[in-house]
Amino acid sequence: GDSVTQMEGPVTLSEEAFLTINCTYTATGYPSLFWYVQYPGEGLQLLLKATKADDKGSNKGFEATYRKETTSFHLEKGSVQVSDSAVYFCALSAPSNDYKLSFGAGTTVTVRA
Amino acid sequence: DTAVSQTPKYLVTQMGNDKSIKCEQNLGHDTMYWYKQDSKKFLKIMFSYNNKELIINETVPNRFSPKSPDKAHLNLHINSLELGDSAVYFCASSFMGVAGFTDTQYFGPGTRLTVL
Repeated sequence: GDSVTQMEGPVTLSEEAFLTINCTYTATGYPSLFWYVQYPGEGLQLLLKATKADDKGSNKGFEATYRKETTSFHLEKGSVQVSDSAVYFCALSAPSNDYKLSFGAGTTVTVRA
Repeated sequence: DTAVSQTPKYLVTQMGNDKSIKCEQNLGHDTMYWYKQDSKKFLKIMFSYNNKELIINETVPNRFSPKSPDKAHLNLHINSLELGDSAVYFCASSFMGVAGFTDTQYFGPGTRLTVL
């Protein structure tokens, strides 16, 4: 079935460091791809999304590009802040999976001052 | 102006009890979901309702019974609670577009269920 695989954490960084979280997917057809973020003690919220190949989603300094040739949707941020400490989930939604959101395992990111 | 709200936020109960979690959304969405997040943060969908009709029912014990009295509410009732039911349960909502396409889902703050 359709699935996403994201890099395992935890990831610990210093403020202003560069962050990359890898995400690759397996799907029949052309899924929509998402990054959700879960701050401590809160529910998930959409960070960014891309619905077709070569689309770039961006929000709050984060970016991810939908790469069909490598079936990837890696999340990047050039300079992280302490407030970016959270769990990040890659997810996909595809017609072959009845459009259910399939989540990766989540990557815990901690940014130290 | 809470978009998706859940009650209670915390629920501690004994094995064998029956409990309910309530969810309400004020976004005008037509589709609502229940997810279970285990201790390792893994998220799995349990149920989904579109316009009060059940459309997704994953492999969940029949001790779990969702109920949607209207488009804005989706409640989860759990009978005969077991230790393994301890988790954080998230409600979410979205629009469902043409051919079943699911737009961005908005999540509630979660209900942490602890079964002793």
